[in-house]
Amino acid sequence: DAGITQSPRYKITETGRQVTLMCHQTWSHSYMFWYRQDLGHGLRLIYYSAAADITDKGEVPDGYVVSRSKTENFPLTLESATRSQTSVYFCASRRGDRGFAFFGPGTRLTVL
Amino acid sequence: EDQVTQSPEALRLQEGESSSLNCSYTVSGLRGLFWYRQDPGKGPEFLFTLYSAGEEKEKERLKATLTKKESFLHITAPKPEDSATYLCAVRYMKTSYDKVIFGPGTSLSVIP
Repeated sequence: DAGITQSPRYKITETGRQVTLMCHQTWSHSYMFWYRQDLGHGLRLIYYSAAADITDKGEVPDGYVVSRSKTENFPLTLESATRSQTSVYFCASRRGDRGFAFFGPGTRLTVL
Repeated sequence: EDQVTQSPEALRLQEGESSSLNCSYTVSGLRGLFWYRQDPGKGPEFLFTLYSAGEEKEKERLKATLTKKESFLHITAPKPEDSATYLCAVRYMKTSYDKVIFGPGTSLSVIP
């Protein structure tokens, strides 16, 4: 189906484990983003990518790693998960330099 | 400090009772203000983009307006299906690049 998808939708992991959240979009949008949403903080940008092989840090990048070898995929890896990374993670994409973003359905991550 | 605030934090309305949500920002060099709707367990869904003071956009029972330092989302004769969290985001020029920050949202409940 066309659109932006995220997997898994729910994930429970333990402190210290590596976790990868997947994001896939079918529009060939240039820009892709990872946000986390926490009560009291709203949506905060973790990393973004302007094109394949181009990534940059957002507001809260510590503890996260991204890659973008293909335009349609933008995985987010937590190298060693911590409890403070318990959150809902949203991937988003945007066609060009301006305009609004399309958001995925989110991944709810719990780190025990 | 660059900031986006939204008020009220939560709003309960009777069906048909019109009201307004506020989004205030302290950034300079506005490049666009976005309104999104977010249903529980889902990603934000785009509603409107406003670019300059005085601009208005409408969609069904919703109308968004923009002044120099704030935006209003007016809801006329709301229905229960309008219940959701409404997020605003501002895009602005930060030194040499554009930045987008989200407000914390207003949770709207419309009671039949």
